[in-house]
Amino acid sequence: QKEVEQDPGPLSVPEGAIVSLNCTYSNSAFQYFMWYRQYSRKGPELLMYTYSSGNKEDGRFTAQVDKSSKYISLFIRDSQPSDSATYLCAMCWGSARQLTFGSGTQLTVLP
Amino acid sequence: GAGVSQSPSNKVTEKGKDVELRCDPISGHTALYWYRQSLGQGLEFLIYFQGNSAPDKSGLPSDRFSAERTGGSVSTLTIQRTQQEDSAVYLCASSSAASGNQPQHFGDGTRLSIL
Repeated sequence: QKEVEQDPGPLSVPEGAIVSLNCTYSNSAFQYFMWYRQYSRKGPELLMYTYSSGNKEDGRFTAQVDKSSKYISLFIRDSQPSDSATYLCAMCWGSARQLTFGSGTQLTVLP
Repeated sequence: GAGVSQSPSNKVTEKGKDVELRCDPISGHTALYWYRQSLGQGLEFLIYFQGNSAPDKSGLPSDRFSAERTGGSVSTLTIQRTQQEDSAVYLCASSSAASGNQPQHFGDGTRLSIL
């Protein structure tokens, strides 16, 4: 079993929809949680960065962490075609160096 | 400001050749990471540098892989006697601190193809 599980999709939604992307994890030591967006042939771009449990909002994006359930989510409101990309969750613990990534979810927002 | 810069963006080489991949981190970032991204394996950690400390090489898949970081800035990842399974995108990231409380920022990677 992988430490971080992420539904690979693909996920296709109409423009304006609310998108929910999720990851589950098994290592209770994880403290820092990130969401990256990766366009084709580009590097991962940091979208959201959260510490411990709770919600964090940035524009149309909301990151949610539930450490008791070992579950994190990214919500995208009013989705746009430009949101079409692969979304990667990533996490680490405080003294760790490397990130542990989910496998990525491929999202397409149809105009 | 400038982000993480990697070169070359693409590299095609024959099996058995050596390759060198370069990473120029964000100015002022003391921590530098190499990852490999391949189909079916996702993003895998390879090696980590922090300042003048000994690197964490725990993710290197074999002794054909090595990396160095000169002057605490630019890093080179070297793959000797390349094999077809080395084909992947090699990503470099940097951060302003050694631990998880500072996020990692990635370059666009080097797409390596072994014929």
